[in-house]
Amino acid sequence: GENVEQHPSTLSVQEGDSAVIKCTYSDSASNYFPWYKQELGKGPQLIIDIRSNVGEKKDQRIAVTLNKTAKHFSLHITETQPEDSAVYFCAASMNSGYSTLTFGKGTMLLVSP
Amino acid sequence: NAGVTQTPKFQVLKTGQSMTLQCAQDMNHNSMYWYRQDPGMGLRLIYYSASEGTTDKGEVPNGYNVSRLNKREFSLRLESAAPSQTSVYFCASSGVRLPAWTEAFFGQGTRLTVV
Repeated sequence: GENVEQHPSTLSVQEGDSAVIKCTYSDSASNYFPWYKQELGKGPQLIIDIRSNVGEKKDQRIAVTLNKTAKHFSLHITETQPEDSAVYFCAASMNSGYSTLTFGKGTMLLVSP
Repeated sequence: NAGVTQTPKFQVLKTGQSMTLQCAQDMNHNSMYWYRQDPGMGLRLIYYSASEGTTDKGEVPNGYNVSRLNKREFSLRLESAAPSQTSVYFCASSGVRLPAWTEAFFGQGTRLTVV
């Protein structure tokens, strides 16, 4: 089955800096790569996703890049703010009409004022 | 519009007891999922229902059963709880938005402790 590795496990940055979280996946058949943000005591919430026919996607301060040849994808957050502090999960899926996701183990991002 | 609703939010069980976790979605989604989240392990898929009337095992199905009661509801049952099932359980749902599909939406979770 699919295996998703995520690094780093913790990341501390100063407010205004950029943060980058990287993931690799094992199954070349995976074609859908979402990123979720989880705040304390809450369920994961989708922040951005990318499908295999696209190399990069941006939404305001958040961007995701995908390299299918190398089987890795990354989350980039620019101009970080304290409210960006949370646990971030990457995931991969061989989406064929439904979404059985394989998740990475998560990155705890701490943004200090 | 509540999205995905899970009940209960917290539960403490004794080893060997049984219970059912309830999940309902109001987004008219075809597919529903149960994940468990353990520290340092991310989220792992327990069972899923691709469409009403079907259920399939995920990565960690042992010790669990599921029922897709109707299109809205998907329950997870622990027949004989074990301490290893102490975890946070998340229900999720996803639908179809042609030409692709929607992302998975998650509930707020059920924190289960088995003593």
